[in-house]
Amino acid sequence: NAGVTQTPKFQVLKTGQSMTLQCAQDMNHEYMSWYRQDPGMGLRLIHYSVGAGITDQGEVPNGYNVSRSTTEDFPLRLLSAAPSQTSVYFCASRGQGAWEQFFGPGTRLTVL
Amino acid sequence: LAKTTQPISMDSYEGQEVNITCSHNNIATNDYITWYQQFPSQGPRFIIQGYKTKVTNEVASLFIPADRKSSTLSLPRVSLSDTAVYYCLVGEGRATSGTYKYIFGTGTRLKVLA
Repeated sequence: NAGVTQTPKFQVLKTGQSMTLQCAQDMNHEYMSWYRQDPGMGLRLIHYSVGAGITDQGEVPNGYNVSRSTTEDFPLRLLSAAPSQTSVYFCASRGQGAWEQFFGPGTRLTVL
Repeated sequence: LAKTTQPISMDSYEGQEVNITCSHNNIATNDYITWYQQFPSQGPRFIIQGYKTKVTNEVASLFIPADRKSSTLSLPRVSLSDTAVYYCLVGEGRATSGTYKYIFGTGTRLKVLA
């Protein structure tokens, strides 16, 4: 199986533009999360989901929306991109009863 | 949420044992301790997880004292390929519960020298 996949790998946006970062997993995991990682920093939790139709906010949710219509997909939407959202975005998933999170390869986003 | 504190960086030589200590003074009763490894331009990868005492797997050992206010990740006989950032996380919630939030600190940047 492919594990956790993210698209695109790289993206450049202008301030005010919107876009959706895609995340999919084929491990039938209930729990999925989005993190952002700024240069030289650790990961910060944006939003997470404990199953289809259920989402909740993490540490830094402002400026981002999520939805979880299927178990496999967990897209992250930037409503109006700002330079402060320039970062690397990681998606992760975890199975119920397990502690190990599996991370995707990341999306490097630059907002000009 | 329990906050973790780790050394910012460490250097070691190939073949040595490396111990990275993490402080988590405010750990809650239900929290587990998890360590991740991250290489440049990659997502973090799970290394080991424990609740108390000692846990060992094929790549590392995790030592947790009785008061659980700290933990030590031990990497035996490191090689150049172990150069990475290592994160200590304390999980809020239980593995079987529907809610969890993991807080990543800034991690420890380990550099293994030849």
